Amino acid sequence: DADVTQTPRNRITKTGKRIMLECSQTKGHDRMYWYRQDPGLGLQLIYYSFDVKDINKGEISDGYSVSRQAQAKFSLSLESAIPNQTALYFCATSDSRLAGTTGELFFGEGSRLTVL
Amino acid sequence: DQQVKQNSPSLSVQEGRISILNCDYTNSMFDYFLWYKKYPAEGPTFLISISSIKDKNEDGRFTVFLNKSAKHLSLHIVPSQPGDSAVYFCAASATRSGYSTLTFGKGTMLLVSP
Repeated sequence: DADVTQTPRNRITKTGKRIMLECSQTKGHDRMYWYRQDPGLGLQLIYYSFDVKDINKGEISDGYSVSRQAQAKFSLSLESAIPNQTALYFCATSDSRLAGTTGELFFGEGSRLTVL
Repeated sequence: DQQVKQNSPSLSVQEGRISILNCDYTNSMFDYFLWYKKYPAEGPTFLISISSIKDKNEDGRFTVFLNKSAKHLSLHIVPSQPGDSAVYFCAASATRSGYSTLTFGKGTMLLVSP
């Protein structure tokens, strides 16, 4: 089983609909992230959370919101989806005990969202 | 403004040869650098990293070189294998802040042909 699990893996929706992407992890990491990948644009940080009570905006947070329901769960919401939010979304985790040395992120398999 | 730049969108190499992937950065606060590898339909996976106190780190066929004065790093894969065909992302962080996140480049797609 994957350590970082994203649901759904694929979703097609219509403009204006509310969408939630969920992420859960069994790695015991305290830090969680949501990234977006567009062709030719690499990985852009949407939101991140360093613990359950901590939420921070990333580079491209407009149009998105997040909720850290527990240390193991971090969800991303699109309140009113628009076509330019069509992208591949990745959840990632990291361990703050290692942050000063590795900064390594562990990624889920991705959620492909298409907004028509 | 892009702080981590991978100026080559793609690279083609023959099996057995060396692959060299390049990355430049602009933020002088970055002190830790990582390379991630991504296959289609999978999430990125960590490949190798280097701290700014070093100029080289080696792990099997993979070696990362860091030139701090030029704000440049490169990933060398020797010998290249067809299974190395993937998108490679360079990433950087400013770890001394304690609250650093990773900043990624746009990626370079490597194709290793038999």
